[in-house]
Amino acid sequence: GNSVTQMEGPVTLSEEAFLTINCTYTATGYPSLFWYVQYPGEGLQLLLKATKADDKGSNKGFEATYRKETTSFHLEKGSVQVSDSAVYFCALSKDDKIIFGKGTRLHILP
Amino acid sequence: DTGVSQNPRHKITKRGQNVTFRCDPISEHNRLYWYRQTLGQGPEFLTYFQNEAQLEKSRLLSDRFSAERPKGSFSTLEIQRTEQGDSAMYLCASSRVHRSSYNEQFFGPGTRLTVL
Repeated sequence: GNSVTQMEGPVTLSEEAFLTINCTYTATGYPSLFWYVQYPGEGLQLLLKATKADDKGSNKGFEATYRKETTSFHLEKGSVQVSDSAVYFCALSKDDKIIFGKGTRLHILP
Repeated sequence: DTGVSQNPRHKITKRGQNVTFRCDPISEHNRLYWYRQTLGQGPEFLTYFQNEAQLEKSRLLSDRFSAERPKGSFSTLEIQRTEQGDSAMYLCASSRVHRSSYNEQFFGPGTRLTVL
């Protein structure tokens, strides 16, 4: 079946560090891929998306590239800020519903 | 604010009681989704509607759960005879169907249910 696996947290980094959160997926066909973010006390927000192979999604300094050959969609940011502290969910869309990973909690220390 | 709204934001109930949650989608959105998120997990799909028609239900949705969207606008999710295992965050999302393959879903803040 369709599923998403992402690295377990929590991930703790110092401000301005480089961030990678790994995500791999299993799906039939060609799903769309997403990263959602959940800030403390807030609802899920779409961070970025990619709808076909080799697409790069980007937003707020975050990037992820849809890699069909490795079935991956790793999230990266070159220099994190304290305000990036949140839970990040990798997800795929198939047959009109979204399938989420378990989430990775990110703590950024000043 | 014209985002997805959910009420109540928090609900505490005793085991065996019935509860009902409401979701108001973004006004021009014809699709409405319900997800459940338990602690330490990602949201899991429960069901979705296109207009007033319920198009799919997950096997997670036992017969104690029922969802409606009577006029194709707001939706309600009812849980009968609640159990402690029903304690979770219930999320609603809406989208507007386009001819393209991708329909972005916008999420509400959720209703946190605690069953004592």
